[in-house]
Amino acid sequence: GAVVSQHPSRVICKSGTSVKIECRSLDFQATTMFWYRQFPKKSLMLMATSNEGSKATYEQGVEKDKFLINHASLTLSTLTVTSAHPEDSSFYICSARGQGRTEAFFGQGTRLTVV
Amino acid sequence: DAKTTQPTSMDCAEGRAANLPCNHSTISGNEYVYWYRQIHSQGPQYIIHGLKNNETNEMASLIITEDRKSSTLILPHATLRDTAVYYCIVRVKEKTSYDKVIFGPGTSLSVIP
Repeated sequence: GAVVSQHPSRVICKSGTSVKIECRSLDFQATTMFWYRQFPKKSLMLMATSNEGSKATYEQGVEKDKFLINHASLTLSTLTVTSAHPEDSSFYICSARGQGRTEAFFGQGTRLTVV
Repeated sequence: DAKTTQPTSMDCAEGRAANLPCNHSTISGNEYVYWYRQIHSQGPQYIIHGLKNNETNEMASLIITEDRKSSTLILPHATLRDTAVYYCIVRVKEKTSYDKVIFGPGTSLSVIP
């Protein structure tokens, strides 16, 4: 299957700082990327969807000024958690889908801990 | 949106076939059935998808009923590494043409030695 790489896999940051998570499609052009967050023992919750070159579409209840998404190229999307607080601690996962494809492929996830 | 219903958890003996059911009684004619799995603390892994015909790949088989209201994912010879949460998902198409992948709670499969 296609490869999606997410970096970093784990990050610890201080409360009030911002953290950037990168998601790259390594062997295909990702026209659409998705960002999810997952709390312990819970399912993945979709945060936003982005098409390359367009603004992201956020799900209800997700603050777009808090979670900045940039999908500047067909192989890279970034999620920036701004002014992070302990309640933002979670497992963040990206997913990418290529043009004309119906299946999406997932990164390995980023464990964010805000202290 | 077509919703799916899966058992919360299942056990399977190592080496036996694991049959994971999924109900999607409100599925629309042009919606696909997808299966993903998530091993603990990893990102989900794509397994297989289908529209109405049965599908098989190197990982699993997907059996979709003729009325498309339910499906079964079959892992023919389960190993301990197949222990994971398995998600049955129906592709959602919004008016913006963004195709979302929405996850339900899934089935936690435990493969037992």
